[in-house]
Amino acid sequence: GESVGLHLPTLSVQEGDNSIINCAYSNSASDYFIWYKQESGKGPQFIIDIRSNMDKRQGQRVTVLLNKTVKHLSLQIAATQPGDSAVYFCAENIGYKLSFGAGTTVTVRA
Amino acid sequence: DVKVTQSSRYLVKRTGEKVFLECVQDMDHENMFWYRQDPGLGLRLIYFSYDVKMKEKGDIPEGYSVSREKKERFSLILESASTNQTSMYLCASSTYSGAQFFGPGTRLTVL
Repeated sequence: GESVGLHLPTLSVQEGDNSIINCAYSNSASDYFIWYKQESGKGPQFIIDIRSNMDKRQGQRVTVLLNKTVKHLSLQIAATQPGDSAVYFCAENIGYKLSFGAGTTVTVRA
Repeated sequence: DVKVTQSSRYLVKRTGEKVFLECVQDMDHENMFWYRQDPGLGLRLIYFSYDVKMKEKGDIPEGYSVSREKKERFSLILESASTNQTSMYLCASSTYSGAQFFGPGTRLTVL
């Protein structure tokens, strides 16, 4: 079946560096994508979203890029901080249901 | 800011007990969802509701039921708790085509 997935299960980043988290999707009908951050013991937190009529969207220290040609999206975090350590999920929204990727655990090194 | 609250952060119940998990959202969202999250299995949809008194089964509805009597409140019911229902339960809400916003989660342990 079609699914959303992340390229790497873990990512270790030096504090102050930029982080890039990747996600591949296979459902060509998907038109809306969301990135979530989940800290240990907490619920997923909305970070940023993007619709399929856009290639790029920026938030505070975060940028999401969408490449529909290769069905790929990425989350870039600028100047990574210790508080950015968490599991990051991409999710594909079809109608009112979400399909989640497995998640990438980001660890920030001091 | 969207706020989704869940009635308990931690809950311990015995096998066979009836368990109620409640979720309230304050953003007038049409849709509400219940997930469980287990290591290695990710987030799995149990039930969702797209309107008051309306519900749809998700991917793993067995052993669960739901109730939505008011727009802002969505309850998950474990009719007879079993040890394999020990999990983190997450509630979420959204507009029809918008992002889902999650509550803090309830960690349920069934002994």
